[in-house]
Amino acid sequence: ETGVTQTPRHLVMGMTNKKSLKCEQHLGHNAMYWYKQSAKKPLELMFVYNFKEQTENNSVPSRFSPECPNSSHLFLHLHTLQPEDSALYLCASSYQRDSLTDTQYFGPGTRLTVL
Amino acid sequence: AQKITQTQPGMFVQEKEAVTLDCTYDTSDQSYGLFWYKQPSSGEMIFLIYQGSYDEQNATEGRYSLNFQKARKSANLVISASQLGDSAMYFCAMREPYDGGFKTIFGAGTRLFVKA
Repeated sequence: ETGVTQTPRHLVMGMTNKKSLKCEQHLGHNAMYWYKQSAKKPLELMFVYNFKEQTENNSVPSRFSPECPNSSHLFLHLHTLQPEDSALYLCASSYQRDSLTDTQYFGPGTRLTVL
Repeated sequence: AQKITQTQPGMFVQEKEAVTLDCTYDTSDQSYGLFWYKQPSSGEMIFLIYQGSYDEQNATEGRYSLNFQKARKSANLVISASQLGDSAMYFCAMREPYDGGFKTIFGAGTRLFVKA
């Protein structure tokens, strides 16, 4: 595998379910990100991890819980979601977060539908 | 105020012609970076091109070039010889200093349709 992979690609869940999204990067990067992309809205940064430590949480509701066990893996645990949480969730990674030229590379996303 | 503005929600271009996608940005910093990404219907955001604020020459990557006009704060993407596979959403982004580090802000995107 190369680049940034995400599983599953599609997920349908009820509001009472618990599920997890997985992201894996094979680029040797040190930073990982979760973004939410809703229809007709700009990309929203949710969480940032740098060397496994969470460095940003942009006022994300607690029903979204990230986990970063190492620099290559990032999870987003979901529980008691709302229909408005339906969106494309994109994972990204970058080499050096504290650099102006740092470029983020994205995975294919998980299309989440909450019923 | 919008930090990144992409005024064209949708654009059409004939195959093999060139197209310009507009992007203007707002920052008071002297050091910043500008990016363009392509998002096909499959969902993945693909990095296309980068321009630094101090770069004197416009960035080019294959059929992509960035028309950087610093005084006007614009960073338009030019795609030459459009191909059907260029049909996608295109996002402009700016990276700037923030709170002792940096942050990247994305525009709302422009959907490009390439006609055969």
